Amino acid sequence: AQSVTQLGSHVSVSEGALVLLRCNYSSSVPPYLFWYVQYPNQGLQLLLKYTTGATLVKGINGFEAEFKKSETSFHLTKPSAHMSDAAEYFCAVSENSGYSTLTFGKGTMLLVSP
Amino acid sequence: DVKVTQSSRYLVKRTGEKVFLECVQDMDHENMFWYRQDPGLGLRLIYFSYDVKMKEKGDIPEGYSVSREKKERFSLILESASTNQTSMYLCASSLQRGLGYGYTFGSGTRLTVV
Repeated sequence: AQSVTQLGSHVSVSEGALVLLRCNYSSSVPPYLFWYVQYPNQGLQLLLKYTTGATLVKGINGFEAEFKKSETSFHLTKPSAHMSDAAEYFCAVSENSGYSTLTFGKGTMLLVSP
Repeated sequence: DVKVTQSSRYLVKRTGEKVFLECVQDMDHENMFWYRQDPGLGLRLIYFSYDVKMKEKGDIPEGYSVSREKKERFSLILESASTNQTSMYLCASSLQRGLGYGYTFGSGTRLTVV
């Protein structure tokens, strides 16, 4: 069975500081990994995904994530936070099989202060 | 872009009522999903469908049913609404099974059962 753990339900940073949101997964087969962002009163929007190939994945709005198989991690980073980045972020995993659905972490709320 | 439309943003229903939540996608996606989102619990899968008239239980199907009579439409039914079903409901679709396709989400329906 697959699962996702997001460390920290809330992360606070100052504008211009590094953003690091942590995600660890478990999967019995090679995983597909995703980060989604949710702004208030909206649905989830795909930020980036890892399927195969290059382990450093770049997404929208300057975010990137690195798949580290040995650490079973897929942490999300952004070099410099902007006020507009304040939102809830969800990591998700699906297994590399035809019948797998996405399993989500519990989410991390990113707070950005001026 | 794929659009997933949920018919209502906000709903208030009484305990015991039969409630229908409607979801329509406009890009011929095979797969459709219903999740509920609760603070601190993340997204939990209720039901999903890989084809017309086909449905599969997710992690928390109790108290819910679904209908998929047409490829573009996936309905979630609360047979007898209860207060513990007060939640945000998110519909999603994806192109095909497997291959790391991410999901496209609707904007959500916030249901309050009183």
